[in-house]
Amino acid sequence: GAGVSQSPSNKVTEKGKDVELRCDPISGHTALYWYRQSLGQGLEFLIYFQGNSAPDKSGLPSDRFSAERTGGSVSTLTIQRTQQEDSAVYLCASSYGQGGTTNEKLFFGSGTQLSVL
Amino acid sequence: TQLLEQSPQFLSIQEGENLTVYCNSSSVFSSLQWYRQEPGEGPVLLVTVVTGGEVKKLKRLTFQFGDARKDSSLHITAAQPGDTGLYLCAGDIYGGATNKLIFGTGTLLAVQP
Repeated sequence: GAGVSQSPSNKVTEKGKDVELRCDPISGHTALYWYRQSLGQGLEFLIYFQGNSAPDKSGLPSDRFSAERTGGSVSTLTIQRTQQEDSAVYLCASSYGQGGTTNEKLFFGSGTQLSVL
Repeated sequence: TQLLEQSPQFLSIQEGENLTVYCNSSSVFSSLQWYRQEPGEGPVLLVTVVTGGEVKKLKRLTFQFGDARKDSSLHITAAQPGDTGLYLCAGDIYGGATNKLIFGTGTLLAVQP
């Protein structure tokens, strides 16, 4: 595919259940980001992967949130014991990861709308 | 603590009007980007500004980076319904050492035909 692909596009779950959100970045992009967006709001940084470096997890809101990136490509964001305040759109982005943001262009997926009942 | 504040939060105007959206911070940014997001889609990059005082134009959109690199503005001339969307500024406060962008609170623009 030409763009960043996220699945599922919508996820409805019950409070306390675990969910997994998937991101397929653009081929050749070494950097991958997860952001969270509440309704009509800006984006909240969650986690950043760059090549084989240790991920920057500084934005994860609690230890219920975790993410991995296998083989430097596909990434999965896992939320354990979901809470109602976890309801949001989870956006994934990838970039060439040249180092530094001056020339970086982030390509975003369409997001996963998570609703926790 | 919100590092990047955008104003106004909401803006509803008629086709043909001009508008300006502001992005302000107390932090210095090594670079700043503007994105537009349409419903159900991810944000799409419009422009990156790097130098204090820099002005970039993209058709009817004019972007300016403040001299002190703490603020930016987006001016749209003769707005069209196709300009409708959520406008987000995003900045790098880490001097390019990381690729972590801080996003603003967003400005939701509706252009009525």
